[in-house]
Amino acid sequence: EAQVTQNPRYLITVTGKKLTVTCSQNMNHEYMSWYRQDPGLGLRQIYYSMNVEVTDKGDVPEGYKVSRKEKRNFPLILESPSPNQTSLYFCASRGDRNEQYFGPGTRLTVT
Amino acid sequence: GNSVTQMEGPVTLSEEAFLTINCTYTATGYPSLFWYVQYPGEGLQLLLKATKADDKGSNKGFEATYRKETTSFHLEKGSVQVSDSAVYFCALHLYNFNKFYFGSGTKLNVKP
Repeated sequence: EAQVTQNPRYLITVTGKKLTVTCSQNMNHEYMSWYRQDPGLGLRQIYYSMNVEVTDKGDVPEGYKVSRKEKRNFPLILESPSPNQTSLYFCASRGDRNEQYFGPGTRLTVT
Repeated sequence: GNSVTQMEGPVTLSEEAFLTINCTYTATGYPSLFWYVQYPGEGLQLLLKATKADDKGSNKGFEATYRKETTSFHLEKGSVQVSDSAVYFCALHLYNFNKFYFGSGTKLNVKP
């Protein structure tokens, strides 16, 4: 089954404690990206990756890092999380017809 | 700049009512347009899309027509069901920017 998986689904952490949210897709897609979803703001793109070792900033990259060492994986790293990064995060991969496939989401709370 | 504007929700309808969710966009280029649906506790799923002017995307009884002259992509359904209750997102993709832009989402509540 074609899918995008994210882990963990829920995470509560404290300010400044480094964390990583993993994302994996099994569709051999080249393009992957991360979004955050906040009430009234819709989805905003954090980072995207065109292929292995090729990443670029989206609209709200501050406070986040990404890496793309393998085609299937695209982890999101928060080196020093802050409360304003409390949000719902989605990973997505994109196929040939520009259709994005989304993961189930990771709800992050930073206290 | 590039942006998508959707009507604010929530939209509350009775079962079998007609649905319209408005979406307009601004784009520096020729975008592809999408509607995504998000059911409670889940990620977004592609509902329909259109890649050029006057194209009509359709799926599960939903339709939207790419109107370049009015820069719009309104979502319609002739008879909604309780199971259509969800949040609907309009989005555009610009190939040269390789980015997606999403609207803020419109929550639909359908009552039996």
